[in-house]
Amino acid sequence: QVQLVQSGAEVKKPGASVKVSCKASGYTFTNYFMHWVRQAPGQGLEWMGIINPTGGATTYALKFQGRVTMTRDTFTSTVYMELGSLRSEDTAIYYCARGPAALDFWGQGTLVTVYS
Amino acid sequence: DIVLTQSPDTLSLSPGERATLSCRASQSVTGRYLAWYQQRPGQTPRLLIYDASRRATGIPDRFSGSGSGTDFTLTISRLEPEDFAVYYCQQYGSSRQTFGQGTKVEIK
Repeated sequence: QVQLVQSGAEVKKPGASVKVSCKASGYTFTNYFMHWVRQAPGQGLEWMGIINPTGGATTYALKFQGRVTMTRDTFTSTVYMELGSLRSEDTAIYYCARGPAALDFWGQGTLVTVYS
Repeated sequence: DIVLTQSPDTLSLSPGERATLSCRASQSVTGRYLAWYQQRPGQTPRLLIYDASRRATGIPDRFSGSGSGTDFTLTISRLEPEDFAVYYCQQYGSSRQTFGQGTKVEIK
């Protein structure tokens, strides 16, 4: 069965970076794009970007461009999302979700807390 | 970016009633590439509808989607207790995808 398993919760100080992983199993990793979506406490869903596991090409939401980097490791079927220059407003649950378009499988989410 | 505006923000209904949720796009959504998700408290989002009107695997037929261009609708024909949740629309017709702000369906 398809599974997306994310890394554990993180606590970071403002200005730091965080790197969240998402390990895929149960399907051919290179056949599906992977998205990252975040959700601040009590708020809605926010699309952050997408990565093509085959070649590593990415598209980021304009809001995060310059601050986010999405990468993948095809040997371990894992995608990564790194967000830099963290501020308190980045406190959220970060999800990976399988594409390429509608998101049919989601990771369990990773809570990133930013506070000093 | 395409902005999706959902209405209403909150819908108060009783079990057994019909729910109609709206999602309006700031510009036409290419190819009817619009999806709907359900999120129950403390859970991850679940895909209900894709390509505007196709039900995802395992989704009951009381959920239906319609629309094209800039106006889309999610209809729940008869609300079950487990349907009280937040619903989001998402467009994937452009290279940068976007979500609506969500509609909460609550028990009246």
